[in-house]
Amino acid sequence: GAGVSQSPSNKVTEKGKDVELRCDPISGHTALYWYRQRLGQGLEFLIYFQGNSAPDKSGLPSDRFSAERTGESVSTLTIQRTQQEDSAVYLCASSRGQFNSNQPQHFGDGTRLSIL
Amino acid sequence: GEDVEQSLFLSVREGDSSVINCTYTDSSSTYLYWYKQEPGAGLQLLTYIFSNMDMKQDQRLTVLLNKKDKHLSLRIADTQTGDSAIYFCAEKGAGGYNKLIFGAGTRLAVHP
Repeated sequence: GAGVSQSPSNKVTEKGKDVELRCDPISGHTALYWYRQRLGQGLEFLIYFQGNSAPDKSGLPSDRFSAERTGESVSTLTIQRTQQEDSAVYLCASSRGQFNSNQPQHFGDGTRLSIL
Repeated sequence: GEDVEQSLFLSVREGDSSVINCTYTDSSSTYLYWYKQEPGAGLQLLTYIFSNMDMKQDQRLTVLLNKKDKHLSLRIADTQTGDSAIYFCAEKGAGGYNKLIFGAGTRLAVHP
């Protein structure tokens, strides 16, 4: 498809389990972002990838959170030993990533994660 | 630090104009964006404005930027029920990459 694709769209899991969320960016977009959106709240930046540069992990809330991306392709966000406060919608966005230019971010529909 | 603030809720009658306001703190912001989020969906880019502009119009949407006061607004003319959604303001700073700072979103409710 032409847009950002995320899977699964919904994930329900038990507290303490690990989860892996996937994002497939728009082809040709070198920049990829993960955000968290808690119920009724705005977007919380988690991590940013730009090409082969070291990712900006400054938004990751704890060491239970990690993300990987190989080149300019798919990214996975992993949450280990999930806690109930991890329940949220996890949104992925991509952009062309050129510095200091208007390159708006295009969002996927998100993964709704529920921790029981 | 960088911060973007929005009022949380706006209710308007169908056919009226809606004005959603946003303030930001980063005076070096280069681009400012408005995104729309419908229930269960991701964010859809509505429009953007470059910081050297003070107004941009796109069909029913008008963006006004007061750079001195760091105030951004989105006006929706002839608001329809399909405009009911959460609207996010976001800013991009001057340095580095395209990291955006988002406001908490304004929930627009359109009633008959």
